[in-house]
Amino acid sequence: GNSVTQMEGPVTLSEEAFLTINCTYTATGYPSLFWYVQYPGEGLQLLLKATKADDKGSNKGFEATYRKETTSFHLEKGSVQVSDSAVYFCALLYGNKLVFGAGTILRVKS
Amino acid sequence: DTAVSQTPKYLVTQMGNDKSIKCEQNLGHDTMYWYKQDSKKFLKIMFSYNNKELIINETVPNRFSPKSPDKAHLNLHINSLELGDSAVYFCASSRGYNEQFFGPGTRLTVL
Repeated sequence: GNSVTQMEGPVTLSEEAFLTINCTYTATGYPSLFWYVQYPGEGLQLLLKATKADDKGSNKGFEATYRKETTSFHLEKGSVQVSDSAVYFCALLYGNKLVFGAGTILRVKS
Repeated sequence: DTAVSQTPKYLVTQMGNDKSIKCEQNLGHDTMYWYKQDSKKFLKIMFSYNNKELIINETVPNRFSPKSPDKAHLNLHINSLELGDSAVYFCASSRGYNEQFFGPGTRLTVL
């Protein structure tokens, strides 16, 4: 079946540090891949997406590249801010089913 | 303008009661969803409707009944609420099988 595995958190970083949140997936076929972000007390916001192998999604300084050979979609940001503190979800879309990873809590300290 | 809205934002109720959560989207999407987020933040799809027709019904107790009066609305009715139903429920919508846009969530607490 389809599944998504994310690195466990919480991830705690200082402001301006480099961020990587690992995400790998198992899927039949070629799903679309997404990162969603959930700020405290809010709903999920689409952060970025990639629909085919080698696509790079980017938004607000965050990037992720769809790697078919390693079945990965790691999230990166060069310099995090306190306002990036949130829960980040990796997800795959196969058909119209969105399958989420368990979420990774990111805490950024000033 | 809010794209996907849900009411209420918070719902506190006693075990055994029946309650409803409403969802509306103004994005012109044809597909709507209900997800449940548990206390560990894990998200799982419950239902999906396309053009008012049920297309996904995951293993959800039949105490949960979705209703879609039109393409812009998908409501969730829950009968005989149990403690384990306490969670955050998210509505989402999409155009076909594309990225999904989420509402702000409804935090349900069953006492």
